[in-house]
Amino acid sequence: EDKVVQSPLSLVVHEGDTVTLNCSYEVTNFRSLLWYKQEKKAPTFLFMLTSSGIEKKSGRLSSILDKKELFSILNITATQTGDSAVYLCASAGGTSYGKLTFGQGTILTVHP
Amino acid sequence: SAVISQKPSRDICQRGTSLTIQCQVDSQVTMMFWYRQQPGQSLTLIATANQGSEATYESGFVIDKFPISRPNLTFSTLTVSNMSPEDSSIYLCSVDHGSGTKTQYFGPGTRLLVL
Repeated sequence: EDKVVQSPLSLVVHEGDTVTLNCSYEVTNFRSLLWYKQEKKAPTFLFMLTSSGIEKKSGRLSSILDKKELFSILNITATQTGDSAVYLCASAGGTSYGKLTFGQGTILTVHP
Repeated sequence: SAVISQKPSRDICQRGTSLTIQCQVDSQVTMMFWYRQQPGQSLTLIATANQGSEATYESGFVIDKFPISRPNLTFSTLTVSNMSPEDSSIYLCSVDHGSGTKTQYFGPGTRLLVL
């Protein structure tokens, strides 16, 4: 059975801190690893990673994939209160085309 | 990215009734998906909505409980039938979009409470 595990499950930091969120996966027919930010209902797309070792960046957020060790990290530097959200990691693969297997999510709380 | 809308955004329903959720995309997409997010849980795929054929359901989900329609490449509906309080969840549609390895984008979600 496909599996995605995120850690930590929750994290509380102060503005300006840097955080690293972890995601490990076991997925057959792996195609890609995706990161989403969920604040209220809809997950908002952050990154899609398909190749090992290539960092993707968007402002203060960055992510990288290690296909040998089957994990990915999401880094957020100089955190702001607006970064408070649930961060979801999902893997595309398995036997159902297009199916995303989601991790439990990391709840990030940034205090002023 | 694709622009996705869902209706209703939220609803409160009585047990035993059914609710149909609509998902509209601003461009033609091949793949549309329906997910459920139960309180405090992550997202779980219910089914893939296939245009012109029956939906493909994941283990644990059946057509009688979650009938799906996909009449064209921009629209799909999910019905939650004979609802019970355990069906209280956020229901999200998503679409594959882009070229090559496609990215999946999500609609705003429908928050359902069953009393």
